[in-house]
Amino acid sequence: QKEVEQDPGPLSVPEGAIVSLNCTYSNSAFQYFMWYRQYSRKGPELLMYTYSSGNKEDGRFTAQVDKSSKYISLFIRDSQPSDSATYLCAMSGSSYGKLTFGQGTILTVHP
Amino acid sequence: SQTIHQWPATLVQPVGSPLSLECTVEGTSNPNLYWYRQAAGRGLQLLFYSVGIGQISSEVPQNLSASRPQDRQFILSSKKLLLSDSGFYLCASPREAGGTGELFFGEGSRLTVL
Repeated sequence: QKEVEQDPGPLSVPEGAIVSLNCTYSNSAFQYFMWYRQYSRKGPELLMYTYSSGNKEDGRFTAQVDKSSKYISLFIRDSQPSDSATYLCAMSGSSYGKLTFGQGTILTVHP
Repeated sequence: SQTIHQWPATLVQPVGSPLSLECTVEGTSNPNLYWYRQAAGRGLQLLFYSVGIGQISSEVPQNLSASRPQDRQFILSSKKLLLSDSGFYLCASPREAGGTGELFFGEGSRLTVL
């Protein structure tokens, strides 16, 4: 069993839709949770970061962590074509940057 | 602000040839540095990390090696490339000094081994 499982998609939605991206994990030691966005042939860029259970909102993006269920989600409201990318969840048990990644979900938002 | 430079951006190499990928970091001192590899359609796999000059930890046994000759320089090498070494190589550093879990990535080096 992989430490982090992420639905690879691909996911295709119309512009304006609400998108839900999800990851599950098995390692109880994970304390830090991140979502990265990766455009084609580019390095990942950090979207959201949290270390506690609950919701964290930043503009159209909401990150949700449920440590009891070992489940994290990223919600994108009012999705735009510019949101089309691969989304990677990542998590760590320490503050030293040794992240474990999901395999990424490919999202396409069509006009 | 912190900037991570990687080169070359793209590389096509024959099987059995050597490899050297370079990463340099600006805007921070004594950073932890990481090499990740991303195979096509897959997540990122941690290969090496370094907490200081000359200090390298390997996460996955493989055909590759890493070195850190200077504080802000991290090099990924191979003496003889294999087909399975193809992938997208990413250098990373924590977003803040001391590390808080978040990583900032360079633009990557795409390696194709033929």
